Parts: sequence; C-alpha cells; structure tokens
Amino acid sequence: LAKTTQPISMDSYEGQEVNITCSHNNIATNDYITWYQQFPSQGPRFIIQGYKTKVTNEVASLFIPADRKSSTLSLPRVSLSDTAVYYCLVADTGKLIFGQGTTLQVKP
Amino acid sequence: GAVVSQHPSWVICKSGTSVKIECRSLDFQATTMFWYRQFPKQSLMLMATSNEGSKATYEQGVEKDKFLINHASLTLSTLTVTSAHPEDSSFYICSAPPIGQYNEQFFGPGTRLTVL
Repeated sequence: LAKTTQPISMDSYEGQEVNITCSHNNIATNDYITWYQQFPSQGPRFIIQGYKTKVTNEVASLFIPADRKSSTLSLPRVSLSDTAVYYCLVADTGKLIFGQGTTLQVKP
Repeated sequence: GAVVSQHPSWVICKSGTSVKIECRSLDFQATTMFWYRQFPKQSLMLMATSNEGSKATYEQGVEKDKFLINHASLTLSTLTVTSAHPEDSSFYICSAPPIGQYNEQFFGPGTRLTVL
C-alpha cells in the first residue's frame, strides 16, 4: 500500500500558484519526501525532494512541517504545460510505492 | 540530472511471443533497478527489483516466470515478457538510483507494449 494520500485532482488557471498537499502520517525516521511529475506516456520526472523544513529549487518549493506527517508542493505561476499528474512519495531506499497521484489541470 | 534510457520505446507483438525491454543508466552505475507497469489512467505499480549479479525480487502477485529480469551489468537491466498476451499490454517503466544515493531515483521514458 502507498504510504501517502493526495487529492485526486485539482484545477488551476495560468499564472496562479498551486499548492498540493500530501499526507504521510506513518512516515519513518529515515524516509525522504519526493515529488514527481508525469506527463502521459512518459516516465516520472523528479521535481523536488526534502527531509524537513523548506526546500526550494528552480521549479518548485516543498514545505514540510516539524512533525513531517504532511508536505506541500508549491508551484509558482503555473502554465498550461504544468498540466500533469503529480506524485508524492516517501521512502528511505530506492523502492518506491506510488499512490494515485494528483491530476493537475491548468486552464487558460 | 542522471539519464535512464529504455529500448524500445514502443513494441507491437503477436500473442504468444516474447518481448525484451532494456533499461540502461547512461551516466551512472546502479546495483539496483526497478521495473514498474502502468495501465491507462492508473498509477505506477512496482513489479520487481532488479539486482546486479543476483536474482530479482518480485512483488506479490507478479509471476517471475512470466516477467524474466536480468541485471547483467551495473548499467543494464532487461525485462522479458514471455508468452505475451493482450492483458500484458501496458506501459513499462524502469528506474534506477545511483550507487550510494538510494533516495534519488531516475526514471526511464517508458516502453509501450501492445500485444495483439
């Protein structure tokens, strides 16, 4: 069973900030939190990874509260090309168990 | 970032034939690679863990005699779907973490298998 829970779908408009929250109540001490993006008929693409607090890179930010039981992926100013499925995963090794992910639909 | 390739990107075969899919890490070595299957509008399902120089580890419900995995080198793992049937039609994706960096996972572009 996947160790995470996410909303099944979200809608947004171009230029808006999108926040996707993931619950992982049973996260283990050694688990990292990683977010992937997947377009149809492509392999998942790494977005961001963190262990605690806040992580930011050129495409997104990841907010992790102190208890680490949830995390929020923040996508600033989304565009139509950000329409995809976003997966949140927690793991301490390479073995990843995917949940259903969040389908983000960005509208013009 | 590190690159993982898959070959072929798509394949169509007749029922009863076997199909081999290759997964290569192009600029890093991996002692472990993972194989996933994804049906339309569904999430990725982990099938097996490929271990260099030893037997693969299969997830519950995955037939090891049907999905043969070989990890012959630190940069290549192969998945052979034996006696393929239409229900094996799916999108097969591999992934690999670089040695010593097991919390980083790089995915291949996937292989679309269609069995007629």
